[in-house]
Amino acid sequence: LAKTTQPISMDSYEGQEVNITCSHNNIATNDYITWYQQFPSQGPRFIIQGYKTKVTNEVASLFIPADRKSSTLSLPRVSLSDTAVYYCLVGDEGDSNYQLIWGAGTKLIIKP
Amino acid sequence: EPEVTQTPSHQVTQMGQEVILRCVPISNHLYFYWYRQILGQKVEFLVSFYNNEISEKSEIFDDQFSVERPDGSNFTLKIRSTKLEDSAMYFCASSESGVRGNYGYTFGSGTRLTVV
Repeated sequence: LAKTTQPISMDSYEGQEVNITCSHNNIATNDYITWYQQFPSQGPRFIIQGYKTKVTNEVASLFIPADRKSSTLSLPRVSLSDTAVYYCLVGDEGDSNYQLIWGAGTKLIIKP
Repeated sequence: EPEVTQTPSHQVTQMGQEVILRCVPISNHLYFYWYRQILGQKVEFLVSFYNNEISEKSEIFDDQFSVERPDGSNFTLKIRSTKLEDSAMYFCASSESGVRGNYGYTFGSGTRLTVV
């Protein structure tokens, strides 16, 4: 399974665009990329999922270059409430849940 | 927006006691999961459940753990004889499909289990 690497933490300011990059050098052909957000003492919340190029929804965009060895979660105009831990997961629909490894994530702190 | 509901939000129990954590998954979801997260650590998979049976479990999910769907709405995790190291947040999740291509899982807010 593809191992993911993310920055441990990031800081930004309200109103800024935040980009969090995840590297997954050994991503397999059938793998897709999913991002979750987790607030303290809450369960992770699905943000966005993609396979290639760009995916956009009402909360974020996901940019995936042609080689798919990395992906970037983009949060437009962040607010204080976007302070959370963000997890990048890579896996194939055929992978076992047991094998879907949750890393330490990126702790994003938004400042006023 | 549909939610996964977990009760209680916090449970304190003495070591060696049995605890049952309860979850109400989203009504049209067919796949159910338990995860746990020890304070400050990673989210860890425990077990997945489909069609009234366990479909997958991790090494953490040993004989002390069991899951059950006693009726059409509840999904429970039982820990028979709790240990101090069972102290963690336990998250229930559900998904419409077992295929992860479909928009991920919906997690509940968790039960904080404290074993003393």
